Amino acid sequence: EVQVVESGGGLVQPGGSLRLSCEASGFVVSRYWMGWVRQAPGKGLEWVANIKQDGGDIYYMDSVKGRVTISRDNAQNSVYLQMNSLRADDTAVYYCARVPSGSGWSWFDLWGQGTHVTVSS
Amino acid sequence: VIWMTQSPSLVSASIGDRVTISCRVSQDISTYLAWYQQKPGKAPDLLIFATSTLQTGVPSRFSGSGYGTDFTLTINNLQSEDFATYYCQNYDSFPLIFGGGTNVEIK
Repeated sequence: EVQVVESGGGLVQPGGSLRLSCEASGFVVSRYWMGWVRQAPGKGLEWVANIKQDGGDIYYMDSVKGRVTISRDNAQNSVYLQMNSLRADDTAVYYCARVPSGSGWSWFDLWGQGTHVTVSS
Repeated sequence: VIWMTQSPSLVSASIGDRVTISCRVSQDISTYLAWYQQKPGKAPDLLIFATSTLQTGVPSRFSGSGYGTDFTLTINNLQSEDFATYYCQNYDSFPLIFGGGTNVEIK
């Protein structure tokens, strides 16, 4: 089955860190750009970051720049999101998603079930 | 930064109705627009990309149209499984932007 599965979410205090993981199966992740999209409770979708197949091109939304790092390990068929200096407004479900087109700016055709991140003291 | 405005934010409709959702963009994005459906507690599902191309497996009652700054998602003959929230997404450039969402509820 073609899917991506996120893990690593949880409850963290403001200023803390979390590393989210996204493991792909049923397809070769090295052939695709990959991204993260988040959704705060009761709110809409918000793009977070995208990473090129070889990791050589990366884009972030402004509010996470300097605090969040997207990376990948193609040998492990996985993508990661390291989040530091977490704030209350980072509380959200974080989705890993596949980018089907050759360019990084694209729609997302495959989404994981999401992992919950709660930033609270 | 591009602004995206989806309207209406809420639609009340009945089975068999035709529903149209608008997505207006603050600058010309050609046809670089996608639509998603999201049900409560679930991940979004891709419906349409490149303004009007249906993702594999999406029923033909869904259609998309538009160009430049004005786009529309149309659902013909609304079915029970179509009650959900719909989002448009611009992918003309980074940052990728999603519309605020339209909740289609049962009338």
